[in-house]
Amino acid sequence: QSVLTQPPSVSGAPGQRVTISCTGSSSNIGAGYDVHWYQQLPGTAPKLLIYGNSNRPSGVPDRFSGSKSGTSASLAITGLQAEDEADYYCQSYDSSLSGLFGGGTKLTVL
Amino acid sequence: QVQLVQSGAEVKKPGASVKVSCKASGYTFTSYGISWVRQAPGQGLEWMGWISAYNGNTNYAQKLQGRVTMTTDTSTSTAYMELRSLRSDDTAVYYCARGLGTTDYWGQGTLVTVSS
Repeated sequence: QSVLTQPPSVSGAPGQRVTISCTGSSSNIGAGYDVHWYQQLPGTAPKLLIYGNSNRPSGVPDRFSGSKSGTSASLAITGLQAEDEADYYCQSYDSSLSGLFGGGTKLTVL
Repeated sequence: QVQLVQSGAEVKKPGASVKVSCKASGYTFTSYGISWVRQAPGQGLEWMGWISAYNGNTNYAQKLQGRVTMTTDTSTSTAYMELRSLRSDDTAVYYCARGLGTTDYWGQGTLVTVSS
């Protein structure tokens, strides 16, 4: 059981908007630690998608956005495309600066 | 361009040790730390720990304390992760990644299989 809770799966049709939640506690996200998001395509290494709660690395389309409020964070994907079908993970930290991952969310593009 | 190239797949018996390497290129090695993350077959990502390539400081996941050691060789820009007393549930793909917080570049992964 992961300390950060994500829905196991989400789905949407091409062009739609989907959101993935990441719920933590006052010991991690709620304590002010940043949240990062990773995309993992099948058989490949994770790729940084969002860092510092809402920042996109160079090359990541602006269809991807992140936000954080209280003890939770969210990843939003607009204009869903078939190539977005992947697993998505949130990451944050606890007070000992140990990393924490969410359990992952499988996105299916219908 | 930044690259992290990991060593090849390993098959180990229970109780043995494994040492995975991660050779960095394309940036100043000592300016960033290296994090290690593993992923068991069909499972999610598990944070293992990190090491500062600047001063060698480490921070290990509590569940791996006593079994894992992370080191760096600044002369070759290589990071190492050694895991001892291997068990079947250590079977996983092991990734190194640049950074202690934000991990922006990842290695290709190393499959470690623990089987008798």
